[in-house]
Amino acid sequence: DAGVTQSPTHLIKTRGQQVTLRCSPKSGHDTVSWYQQALGQGPQFIFQYYEEEERQRGNFPDRFSGHQFPNYSSELNVNALWLGDSALYLCASSLGLAGHNEQFFGPGTRLTVL
Amino acid sequence: GDSVTQMEGPVTLSEEAFLTINCTYTATGYPSLFWYVQYPGEGLQLLLKATKADDKGSNKGFEATYRKETTSFHLEKGSVQVSDSAVYFCALSDRQTGANNLFFGTGTRLTVIP
Repeated sequence: DAGVTQSPTHLIKTRGQQVTLRCSPKSGHDTVSWYQQALGQGPQFIFQYYEEEERQRGNFPDRFSGHQFPNYSSELNVNALWLGDSALYLCASSLGLAGHNEQFFGPGTRLTVL
Repeated sequence: GDSVTQMEGPVTLSEEAFLTINCTYTATGYPSLFWYVQYPGEGLQLLLKATKADDKGSNKGFEATYRKETTSFHLEKGSVQVSDSAVYFCALSDRQTGANNLFFGTGTRLTVIP
């Protein structure tokens, strides 16, 4: 049973460019959340998708957008990259939206913006 | 708003020492509480959780009790091992938001020396 998978593993972009990160949830899960983890910090919630809709959003600008597909996989898009977007981007999946449900995390995508 | 305040590290202990990592929270509703662990080179993993007041979560010798009166969820282990070296994150999920996104603390790096 595959866990949460993310691609790519690493990515290097320059300021002003756009990037797309991808996530496949754990088998049987229907909810996907994205987090940004800056070096030495805890993960910060970006947004959550359920039934192909954005259900909750953290304090991130509109440059951050996402999508969930019918097979529950998800993409995170970041436009107009700037240096401060350099971070580890984590995808997590769960079954439904209940607060006590465990979220399973993927290994992350390391984004470096030069 | 929701937030988690976690004891800052790094923490260095000798093998078999007692471990406490403090965590306090602020939540608008009645949260579920979690401890996640990030081993070197690996993704975030759920260590333990508690979903209501006075619940005790436990796993791999680690314990934490949900204390509503002190809004705390301190992590403890009676005898740490070298293999416990990792970064530990306290987190909460606020059920009132209708989503199960997690709010994380900044993390505490634990190093256990033989």
